[in-house]
Amino acid sequence: GNSVTQMEGPVTLSEEAFLTINCTYTATGYPSLFWYVQYPGEGLQLLLKATKADDKGSNKGFEATYRKETTSFHLEKGSVQVSDSAVYFCALSPSFSGGYNKLIFGAGTRLAVHP
Amino acid sequence: DADVTQTPRNRITKTGKRIMLECSQTKGHDRMYWYRQDPGLGLQLIYYSFDVKDINKGEISDGYSVSRQAQAKFSLSLESAIPNQTALYFCATSDLVDQPQHFGDGTRLSIL
Repeated sequence: GNSVTQMEGPVTLSEEAFLTINCTYTATGYPSLFWYVQYPGEGLQLLLKATKADDKGSNKGFEATYRKETTSFHLEKGSVQVSDSAVYFCALSPSFSGGYNKLIFGAGTRLAVHP
Repeated sequence: DADVTQTPRNRITKTGKRIMLECSQTKGHDRMYWYRQDPGLGLQLIYYSFDVKDINKGEISDGYSVSRQAQAKFSLSLESAIPNQTALYFCATSDLVDQPQHFGDGTRLSIL
């Protein structure tokens, strides 16, 4: 079946530190991969996506590369800010969703950035 | 104004009560979804719909029902609430396949 595994949190960093949040997936075919971010008290927002192998999604200084050989989609940012503190969800949309982009989510990783 | 609006934002109720959570959207999207979020479990899909005549069960539909009253409205009901349905509930919408989903701000539901 389809599943997403991401590193457990919380991840605690100082401002300007480098961030990596690991995400690996299990899926048949060629899923689309997403990172969503949830700020306190809000719904999820799409951060970035990649739809095929070797694609790199990027937004707001965050990047993730779709690695089919390692079934991974790790999230990185070179220099985090306090405002990046949030919960980050890795998700996949299976190749064959019957016309829907059903999402399978990881458990989420909480990031706390301190000044 | 929010594109995806959920009401209520918070609800506390008792075991056995019937609860309805409502979702409306102004994005003009065809596809709508209801998710449940539990700590440490990410989001799990409850129901999803393509239009008013199309309703599909997700991963965890037992104990829930939905109604798609119009393209813009998708309601989730708990016919007889139980404490383990205490969670954060999200509505989402999407347009074409492979397009991202847009989420409401969630309804925090507590069942005593």
